[in-house]
Amino acid sequence: GAVVSQHPSWVICKSGTSVKIECRSLDFQATTMFWYRQFPKQSLMLMATSNEGSKATYEQGVEKDKFLINHASLTLSTLTVTSAHPEDSSFYICSARLQGTGELFFGEGSRLTVL
Amino acid sequence: ELKVEQNPLFLSMQEGKNYTIYCNYSTTSDRLYWYRQDPGKSLESLFVLLSNGAVKQEGRLMASLDTKARLSTLHITAAVHDLSATYFCAVDWKGTDKLIFGTGTRLQVFP
Repeated sequence: GAVVSQHPSWVICKSGTSVKIECRSLDFQATTMFWYRQFPKQSLMLMATSNEGSKATYEQGVEKDKFLINHASLTLSTLTVTSAHPEDSSFYICSARLQGTGELFFGEGSRLTVL
Repeated sequence: ELKVEQNPLFLSMQEGKNYTIYCNYSTTSDRLYWYRQDPGKSLESLFVLLSNGAVKQEGRLMASLDTKARLSTLHITAAVHDLSATYFCAVDWKGTDKLIFGTGTRLQVFP
């Protein structure tokens, strides 16, 4: 099956710094990728839809200036958490949709802890 | 807006017993997924249901879809400890590219 890889798996940073998370589709091209956030013991909440070659579409309540998304190529989307604060600590999961079948494949997730 | 609700939110059951998890969604959809999530891990795809009346089975798990009732079920047969995890249903929001997740059901199977 199709593989989506995220990096890093775990990151700890100080408050006020920025953190970049990468999401790659390894064996297929993805014009659309999605970023989800999951707080402990909660469901996955869609943050934004990342579109190759155009601006990301953010869900209501998600600050686009805080969560910068760049979809630079058909296999790479990045999420940058700017000026991170402890409340941004969460599990971030990306996914990519396989053209044709439309099936969604998920990355391994990135756990962000902001001290 | 598409809302996806699961019931129950938490389930503790004895090994060998059967139980059903329910997933209700609020608007029309063509596709419903079931995922498993272990603590600290990402999602494992279990089932993709594409049409009304679809039924799929894998081991002790069986999923079904009723698009008219906007309801999917995940039935657990003769539960074993290895099934302990959180289970999510997710629905393709028709007319958009988005996948919306249910609230999740945390399953705990004890001896």
